[in-house]
Amino acid sequence: DTEVTQTPKHLVMGMTNKKSLKCEQHMGHRAMYWYKQKAKKPPELMFVYSYEKLSINESVPSRFSPECPNSSLLNLHLHALQPEDSALYLCASSPGGLRGSRSGANVLTFGAGSRLTVL
Amino acid sequence: GDSVTQMEGPVTLSEEACLTINCTYTATGYPSLFWYVQYPGEGLQLLLKATKADDKGSNKGFEATYRKETTSFHLEKGSVQVSDSAVYFCALSRFGNEKLTFGTGTRLTIIP
Repeated sequence: DTEVTQTPKHLVMGMTNKKSLKCEQHMGHRAMYWYKQKAKKPPELMFVYSYEKLSINESVPSRFSPECPNSSLLNLHLHALQPEDSALYLCASSPGGLRGSRSGANVLTFGAGSRLTVL
Repeated sequence: GDSVTQMEGPVTLSEEACLTINCTYTATGYPSLFWYVQYPGEGLQLLLKATKADDKGSNKGFEATYRKETTSFHLEKGSVQVSDSAVYFCALSRFGNEKLTFGTGTRLTIIP
């Protein structure tokens, strides 16, 4: 299995809703990522989990709350979002740690994304 | 800090034309370099990579050579197809660093 699976593919929510995005990989990767991508822009890093611990938070507003229940799963909990948060949210994973370093390149495998619309 | 600069798009070519998308980078040390491709409505896929100077990455007829002297990693293909229409991102990461720094992306459209 060489895929990163994201659900749902599309999500529409109001500003008062609480929803979650889910991401799963079974490649034995130990690093998982959330990126946000606006139209015609490159992905922007939000969070990195390494060995199930949050290692990078790129000053993301607290209305986005990541969770890594185990090494295969990554969630992004959404609450009180704003219309400007509408975007494609991409999950990625990589071998991470020594395994990634030994290969000389930390190659990320991306999911297909969850397209979020906030009304 | 690290940065990646790509040629501005969009780029429109006829089928079977030659393609070059320029990419230059600024980084300390010896970064690894990547080209990712994003087809319409999809996530990013790794197209090719190079981890040290003079390495050539290749895949699906695309090539890019890691040129440390010019800090470049230009993407080339000798004969493009309609199915190559996508957005192409140049990116770098540094050894032991989990962050991937992306360029702005270049939208490529191939017309029959």
